[in-house]
Amino acid sequence: NAGVTQTPKFRILKIGQSMTLQCTQDMNHNYMYWYRQDPGMGLKLIYYSVGAGITDKGEVPNGYNVSRSTTEDFPLRLELAAPSQTSVYFCASSYSEGEQFFGPGTRLTVL
Amino acid sequence: AQSVSQHNHHVILSEAASLELGCNYSYGGTVNLFWYVQYPGQHLQLLLKYFSGDPLVKGIKGFEAEFIKSKFSFNLRKPSVQWSDTAEYFCAVNDGELVFGTGTRLLVSP
Repeated sequence: NAGVTQTPKFRILKIGQSMTLQCTQDMNHNYMYWYRQDPGMGLKLIYYSVGAGITDKGEVPNGYNVSRSTTEDFPLRLELAAPSQTSVYFCASSYSEGEQFFGPGTRLTVL
Repeated sequence: AQSVSQHNHHVILSEAASLELGCNYSYGGTVNLFWYVQYPGQHLQLLLKYFSGDPLVKGIKGFEAEFIKSKFSFNLRKPSVQWSDTAEYFCAVNDGELVFGTGTRLLVSP
């Protein structure tokens, strides 16, 4: 199993540009999550999904959108990138509300 | 909503020293508790978890944690750290939503 994979690993955006961060898991997990990690702030939940077709906002959803058309994929969309969205983004998945498995992360810089 | 406090933001130890990292959460009820580790440049990996049963939990790489319900605590311990334990450690609590602490950066000097 590849586990949780994320692409790209690094990206630099200009203010106002849009992009999609991809996340795929091959463990048949129902739950998937997007977090952002900022220095000294821990991980903050952006959006999560408990199954295909179902998404919910986390703690910091503003400026982001998600979709969950399949069990495997959970892309995160930034429509109008802002410097405040410079961060490291982690996708995770879990079978239920137990242990979460994390992807390698995407380091995003918005200039 | 639940909150998680990790009181030590930075810890510096010499190899073979003992480690204890504090973790407190804000309120009780049924919770699942986790410690994750993030080695430099890598993603988060699970060190250990507590769901129920014996409050002393043993994880990978010689780490253990003790759940003390009356203190809302889940402190991480290791009797003798190694240079390879240099990493950032996150405590997390799940009572329906997984909430992370702000992390503790551990530097182990050879």
